[in-house]
Amino acid sequence: EAGVVQSPRYKIIEKKQPVAFWCNPISGHNTLYWYRQNLGQGPELLIRYENEEAVDDSQLPKDRFSAERLKGVDSTLKIQPAELGDSAVYLCASSLNTAFAGEQYFGPGTRLTVT
Amino acid sequence: GQQVMQIPQYQHVQEGEDFTTYCNSSTTLSNIQWYKQRPGGHPVFLIQLVKSGEVKKQKRLTFQFGEAKKNSSLHITATQTTDVGTYFCATDTDKLIFGTGTRLQVFP
Repeated sequence: EAGVVQSPRYKIIEKKQPVAFWCNPISGHNTLYWYRQNLGQGPELLIRYENEEAVDDSQLPKDRFSAERLKGVDSTLKIQPAELGDSAVYLCASSLNTAFAGEQYFGPGTRLTVT
Repeated sequence: GQQVMQIPQYQHVQEGEDFTTYCNSSTTLSNIQWYKQRPGGHPVFLIQLVKSGEVKKQKRLTFQFGEAKKNSSLHITATQTTDVGTYFCATDTDKLIFGTGTRLQVFP
């Protein structure tokens, strides 16, 4: 069974430029998560989807971040414009639709460097 | 808001020694999960606990959920170099949050 797929693995951009990350969750997993992980810290939830619906986006900086999950499968996370402080690893995870997050499967992440 | 704190932040042990990391919350948790993240890798799910006082074992790893469901621990017996990484607790009670993590280094 294929795991969570993310692309690109690495991205270097200049500040004020836009950037987009893509995630393909495990087949059959209705719940999809985007996290940001800064060096030496735990993952911080940005947005959680149940199928196509964003059920928790309270931590998403909506002035510059946007996400979508069309058809309830793949998802993209966009930053426009990027700032220096956005440098981090962006992780996507998926899980079966249960009462709570439970067992999440993480992708390899996209390491973003903003210069 | 809800937070989970982990201690210690770092732990260096000699191979063969035991290791324990603790996850503490000021509020009652409905569930707790533990993840391991190797250096340069992504978090990998280890276990989930939901019952008060629950204890689960995976080979040399023992996981415990406190009676009051406000704390949890992960204990590794006789550490090996393959245990190196950062161990995170996480909970999806009021919000989905990860702890601060404990970085384990094992010296051969």
